Amino acid sequence: SQELEQSPQSLIVQEGKNLTINCTSSKTLYGLYWYKQKYGEGLIFLMMLQKGGEEKSHEKITAKLDEKKQQSSLHITASQPSHAGIYLCGADIGQGAQKLVFGQGTRLTINP
Amino acid sequence: ETGVTQSPTHLIKTRGQQVTLRCSSQSGHNTVSWYQQALGQGPQFIFQYYREEENGRGNFPPRFSGLQFPNYSSELNVNALELDDSALYLCASSLKGSGTQYFGPGTRLLVL
Repeated sequence: SQELEQSPQSLIVQEGKNLTINCTSSKTLYGLYWYKQKYGEGLIFLMMLQKGGEEKSHEKITAKLDEKKQQSSLHITASQPSHAGIYLCGADIGQGAQKLVFGQGTRLTINP
Repeated sequence: ETGVTQSPTHLIKTRGQQVTLRCSSQSGHNTVSWYQQALGQGPQFIFQYYREEENGRGNFPPRFSGLQFPNYSSELNVNALELDDSALYLCASSLKGSGTQYFGPGTRLLVL
């Protein structure tokens, strides 16, 4: 079965600093999704990557999928308090199944 | 907001009881997936419904069952509740074939 490993598990950064969260898969990724979750709430869709080498950006958040499609990174530039939360990567298990396997999440804290 | 709603928001049950959780999908979406998220973990796929039939199941016992209605809303039923069933239950709706799943706010279930 496919497994996703996120690193780091938790991250504390000072407001204004840049940061990167990584997501590594045990198998080739057919679709990689990044979500954000406030504690105890639902998941907010951020971005989806499918093609090797693909990169997408939204506001100050950039996500990349490596050429081999087994690793993705999420980069936040000039972090703000609104970026705090839990970031989750999810992988489509393939064949258009639309069933996601998730990493354990990265808890991001932004200090003023 | 995603347009996916769930009810109730919180629920407390005792071991051995049965529970029904409800989900209304986003307008235009025909597929509903259910996930269980234990504290500090990523969501785990329970099952998915498309055209009122189960379209894939994760590693959950048969006491977890579901329904999808003609209006695409869905129910998750759990029988013979166990303490380990305490978790945040998330539903996600999507359009078959399009990939991206949009999540509701979740139902937090506590089993005592």
